[in-house]
Amino acid sequence: GNSVTQMEGPVTLSEEAFLTINCTYTATGYPSLFWYVQYPGEGLQLLLKATKADDKGSNKGFEATYRKETTSFHLEKGSVQVSDSAVYFCALRVNNNDMRFGAGTRLTVKP
Amino acid sequence: NAGVTQTPKFRVLKTGQSMTLLCAQDMNHEYMYWYRQDPGMGLRLIHYSVGEGTTAKGEVPDGYNVSRLKKQNFLLGLESAAPSQTSVYFCASSGLAGSITGELFFGEGSRLTVL
Repeated sequence: GNSVTQMEGPVTLSEEAFLTINCTYTATGYPSLFWYVQYPGEGLQLLLKATKADDKGSNKGFEATYRKETTSFHLEKGSVQVSDSAVYFCALRVNNNDMRFGAGTRLTVKP
Repeated sequence: NAGVTQTPKFRVLKTGQSMTLLCAQDMNHEYMYWYRQDPGMGLRLIHYSVGEGTTAKGEVPDGYNVSRLKKQNFLLGLESAAPSQTSVYFCASSGLAGSITGELFFGEGSRLTVL
């Protein structure tokens, strides 16, 4: 089946630290891959996406590269800020009615 | 710029009571979804709709019903609430164009507690 596994949290970092949140997937066919972010009390919003192998999605200093050979889509940011504190979800989409989400990783950035 | 709007935002029910969550989107999207979010489990798909008048079961449909009488609205019903349905519910929508490359747009969520 189609599924996403992402690193368990919570993750606590100091401001300006480097961030990596691991995400691996299992899918039939050729999925599109997404990272969503959820700020406290809000719904999920798209952070970035990649729709084919070797594509790199980027937004707000975050990056993730679609690695078909390792079935991974790890999220990275070179220097996190307090405002990046949120829950991050990795997701894949293989058809119009099937978007699968990982369990979410809570990130807390301390000043 | 409303996007996806869910009502109510919060609700407390007693076991056995019924209720309906309403989702409205103003983006003329074909696809609409209901998810539930539980700690450590991410989001799980309850039901979805690929167009007005059509609905289908997702990953965890038991205990829920849905209706899509108008393109812009997607209703989620609980006929007889159970404590296991305590969760945060999210509605999402997606346009037809772009198919699997397109993102889902989410509402702000509805927190339901069943006592």
